[in-house]
Amino acid sequence: QITLEESGPTLVKPTQTLTLTCTFSGFSLNTRGLALAWVRQPPRKALEWLALIYWNDDKRYTPSLKSRLSITKDTSKNQVVLTMTNMDPVDTAKYFCAHTQFDMSTGHFMDVWGQGTTVTVSS
Amino acid sequence: IQMTQSPSSLSASAGDRVTITCRASQNINRFLNWYQQRPGEPPKLLIFAASTLQRGVPSRFSGSGSGTDFSLTINSLQPEDFATYYCQQSYSFPCNFGQGTKLEIK
Repeated sequence: QITLEESGPTLVKPTQTLTLTCTFSGFSLNTRGLALAWVRQPPRKALEWLALIYWNDDKRYTPSLKSRLSITKDTSKNQVVLTMTNMDPVDTAKYFCAHTQFDMSTGHFMDVWGQGTTVTVSS
Repeated sequence: IQMTQSPSSLSASAGDRVTITCRASQNINRFLNWYQQRPGEPPKLLIFAASTLQRGVPSRFSGSGSGTDFSLTINSLQPEDFATYYCQQSYSFPCNFGQGTKLEIK
C-alpha cells in the first residue's frame, strides 16, 4: 500500500524559505517510471502543479516559480523535499505531494496523494 | 498549455447523467487526466490517458477525446459524486490543471 505524508511549518513569514518534506512508503523512488510531484491549492482555488522529480533524479519545475523552487530526493529515507524561497502571502496554500507514474503511452498521472499540509504566509 | 473547463459549476440531481468538458490551448494528443476532489480531501485520480479508468473507480465514470477537446461523463450520479472535478494535461511541463468544475446537488 502506497502512502505519502507531507510535513513542514504551518506558518512562515514573508521573505522566508519554506521547506516541505514528503515521506512515503510502499514504493521506491529508485524504480524506473516513477516520480514524485508537488501540487498546491490556495484556499478556494484550483490546483497548481509545482515540481516533479524522477527516479533518475531528473527534475522539472513550473516556469513561473522555477527561480524559487528546488526539489530533491533522499531514497534511503524515502523522502522528497521541496524548498520555496522568498515566500509571499500569495503562496498561502495547501501543499500536496503525489506518487506519479510515467509512461510514454500514458504520460504522467498522479495516482496516490498525501493529505496535504497547509502553509500560511503572514507576518 | 492552458486548460479550460466548462462549465465552472453545474447543478444536477442524483441519477442524472452529466458531462464536463476540457479544452487544451494546443494539441495534447491523449495526455489528459481527470481528478475528483471532495471538500477537505486530496484529489483522487479517476481517468488517465483520456479514457483509461483508474483501478477501483466505478464504471459510471468515463472519459473521451483527443487533441484539444476532452470530456468526462458521469452516468447515474450518486450522492458521493458531488465534488469538484479537474482536468490536467501531461503532454508537456508544467502539467497544468483546468480551473475546476464544481458539481452541486440541484
